[in-house]
Amino acid sequence: AQRVTQPEKLLSVFKGAPVELKCNYSYSGSPELFWYVQYSRQRLQLLLRHISRESIKGFTADLNKGETSFHLKKPFAQEEDSAMYYCALSHGSSNTGKLIFGQGTTLQVKP
Amino acid sequence: DGGITQSPKYLFRKEGQNVTLSCEQNLNHDAMYWYRQDPGQGLRLIYYSQIVNDFQKGDIAEGYSVSREKKESFPLTVTSAQKNPTAFYLCASKNKYGYTFGSGTRLTVV
Repeated sequence: AQRVTQPEKLLSVFKGAPVELKCNYSYSGSPELFWYVQYSRQRLQLLLRHISRESIKGFTADLNKGETSFHLKKPFAQEEDSAMYYCALSHGSSNTGKLIFGQGTTLQVKP
Repeated sequence: DGGITQSPKYLFRKEGQNVTLSCEQNLNHDAMYWYRQDPGQGLRLIYYSQIVNDFQKGDIAEGYSVSREKKESFPLTVTSAQKNPTAFYLCASKNKYGYTFGSGTRLTVV
């Protein structure tokens, strides 16, 4: 069965510290993985997707098929990074597939 | 201005009543989805529709119903059979480039 697991409900770091939000998945096929972010009182929005291999707002994520992980990293956290982060896996066709979310991790960056 | 609109933002329901949440998109996306967001549980899929006049159950469809009579619209009805309906409900649509999410409806049972 397809599943996404984010083991940490809350991650609290100080400004300038490195951040790693963990995500593990189970999927019988080639997964398409995403990180979504939800800032306070804003819509859920795409942060990055593994196929684009880009860095957004200093965040990166590498797909590790051997460990079935897609951890989100940032070398130096900023206060404005405080938000809820969801790891997600797309299952099905590119036009109409469904998104399976992890439980979410709240990132709190303290001054 | 293209996007996906959910209404209302806040909804209060008495126990035993059905309520319908609206989701409209003008993005010409084929697929639409309803998710429920609860603290500590992430987003769980209720129903989804890949094409007009067709929809499938997600992981937590019990107590909910949907329709997809038009491409633009995918309303969700929370029925009295849903035992714990108080939650935040998110609608989304998708094309080959990705997903777009609405701003959500917070439903509270009083």
